[in-house]
Amino acid sequence: ETGVTQSPTHLIKTRGQQVTLRCSSQSGHNTVSWYQQALGQGPQFIFQYYREEENGRGNFPPRFSGLQFPNYSSELNVNALELDDSALYLCATRAGIQETQYFGPGTRLLVL
Amino acid sequence: AQSVTQPDIHITVSEGASLELRCNYSYGATPYLFWYVQSPGQGLQLLLKYFSGDTLVQGIKGFEAEFKRSQSSFNLRKPSVHWSDAAEYFCAVGTGGGNKLTFGTGTQLKVEL
Repeated sequence: ETGVTQSPTHLIKTRGQQVTLRCSSQSGHNTVSWYQQALGQGPQFIFQYYREEENGRGNFPPRFSGLQFPNYSSELNVNALELDDSALYLCATRAGIQETQYFGPGTRLLVL
Repeated sequence: AQSVTQPDIHITVSEGASLELRCNYSYGATPYLFWYVQSPGQGLQLLLKYFSGDTLVQGIKGFEAEFKRSQSSFNLRKPSVHWSDAAEYFCAVGTGGGNKLTFGTGTQLKVEL
């Protein structure tokens, strides 16, 4: 039990729609990262937020955006969904540099 | 840019046998290295991590890994595998204090009873 929760667990959307995924972490975990895991692949880093500001981004287009809130929850927003966005989306939180990242169970997104 | 290679896509071992999962990384500076395990439908659980110091790292569930800088490797080992170890295993390298993790493509472990 990592103390990291994600909602919803599963989601089906159609191409062109927008989606919001949510992550809630333990108190004091001021850093959150989001990853995309396509079927049969390892997770790929999307971006990281620290104290409510983005401070690192992977090779993902601007239609992937995020928010982090003062209560340590966060959101991943994806606009103009494409079929290739179908994946498991994982959030990971931690309390600081060199601290362990704790992953949530993920949200499985299917884009039709 | 950093990268991780896990050359074995699938590995099958008998219960009670020893296990070694291979991981090679590419990174210009001192790496932060991790092994994670993922069971079906689950998120990632950290098995162990290497930041600095002793190159032999002990983790949970009886796993250990050895960092070999000369070989750019961080192989995961377990002396005696249990059926419950069947899962997918991911090696990862972290930058900037372990911030951004770059994962390998994973090794699927099957345990025969």
